[in-house]
Amino acid sequence: GIQVEQSPPDLILQEGANSTLRCNFSDSVNNLQWFHQNPWGQLINLFYIPSGTKQNGRLSATTVATERYSLLYISSSQTTDSGVYFCAVARRADKLIFGTGTRLQVFP
Amino acid sequence: KAGVTQTPRYLIKTRGQQVTLSCSPISGHRSVSWYQQTPGQGLQFLFEYFSETQRNKGNFPGRFSGRQFSNSRSEMNVSTLELGDSALYLCASAIAGTRTDTQYFGPGTRLTVL
Repeated sequence: GIQVEQSPPDLILQEGANSTLRCNFSDSVNNLQWFHQNPWGQLINLFYIPSGTKQNGRLSATTVATERYSLLYISSSQTTDSGVYFCAVARRADKLIFGTGTRLQVFP
Repeated sequence: KAGVTQTPRYLIKTRGQQVTLSCSPISGHRSVSWYQQTPGQGLQFLFEYFSETQRNKGNFPGRFSGRQFSNSRSEMNVSTLELGDSALYLCASAIAGTRTDTQYFGPGTRLTVL
């Protein structure tokens, strides 16, 4: 099956800092999504981005499908950005396969 | 629109018991997927239902089963609970579960097996 690796596993930032999270996947995919899991366990969909670039406020994501990686950029981080960020991929209508996540802690 | 709801939110059971978890998808969504999240194994896909039919299944033992009703609500059942079944169980809904669909997750049910 497809392998999904995320880096770094942990990230500690001060408010206002910028960060880049990376997701590598081992095979071509038709579906790639970024999620944020808050400290209470709720998973929130951030982006559906199998290719190209999207932006939503302070967050943006880029997927280079031919090179099998995706990047999530967080600018001017806030304490509310804390949590775990997951990348998940799928081929065709197959099940979503999640990476191991990047745990982000933002301190004031 | 109301989001995905899951009940109960917390559950404590003992080994050998069985448990049923419920998920109500977003109105109009016909695909419901279930995931298990543990510290050791991360987020793992259990199964997906679409129009009352199981369309996809993960690598879990037969003790894990599910079903979907005509109103798209879904239940999952775990029989003969083991300590290792302690986890956060997440349900996600999508319009049709195609490759271009976005999945929306519920708040989860945290199951503790003693």
